[in-house]
Amino acid sequence: DQQVKQNSPSLSVQEGRISILNCDYTNSMFDYFLWYKKYPAEGPTFLISISSIKDKNEDGRFTVFLNKSAKHLSLHIVPSQPGDSAVYFCAARLLLQGAQKLVFGQGTRLTINP
Amino acid sequence: NAGVMQNPRHLVRRRGQEARLRCSPMKGHSHVYWYRQLPEEGLKFMVYLQKENIIDESGMPKERFSAEFPKEGPSILRIQQVVRGDSAAYFCASSPSRVYSNQPQHFGDGTRLSIL
Repeated sequence: DQQVKQNSPSLSVQEGRISILNCDYTNSMFDYFLWYKKYPAEGPTFLISISSIKDKNEDGRFTVFLNKSAKHLSLHIVPSQPGDSAVYFCAARLLLQGAQKLVFGQGTRLTINP
Repeated sequence: NAGVMQNPRHLVRRRGQEARLRCSPMKGHSHVYWYRQLPEEGLKFMVYLQKENIIDESGMPKERFSAEFPKEGPSILRIQQVVRGDSAAYFCASSPSRVYSNQPQHFGDGTRLSIL
């Protein structure tokens, strides 16, 4: 039961253009959404997050949009830089009886071409 | 990822042996989470611990796997009688004490477990 889905395994974007990574979810109990960036042989690094009561959060070149009715979120990176090449994971937080856990999508490998 | 320390980074075991993975959370964090990542997949939640307590182990296999977070020392994920299917990257994350805080979980660099 894949509650968080990233349907694009890979994405290739020209340097300087906008990268848009998408994520869909099914569980309306998720209260918080996060994007993590991961380089090979390293752990995921937190990038940006959004509460379920918001529809947009911006931090520098990174903006996350949340469409609750469509159960869809997206990460926009503009302008894209070569150092942005990595695997990006969408994660959703579930709070249950005093415990929290993150449910991850499968990841999207972003490649920025010079 | 410097804050959450995991060791060893790589661990090789033969089938039937035991694997012990260690995790020291970031300073000031008292909540620890373990996740497993199989090749080409996302991270899957295994267990959530606070000091001396297992809060949620719903993602951990019922047999052969156990986790602890003692009062002193790192959190340990223990896999007994390992099988080939246990080969994966195991990540530990930590967060501050308030469950409802919007502070994100911070991850270590993982332990890559290979079963021969």
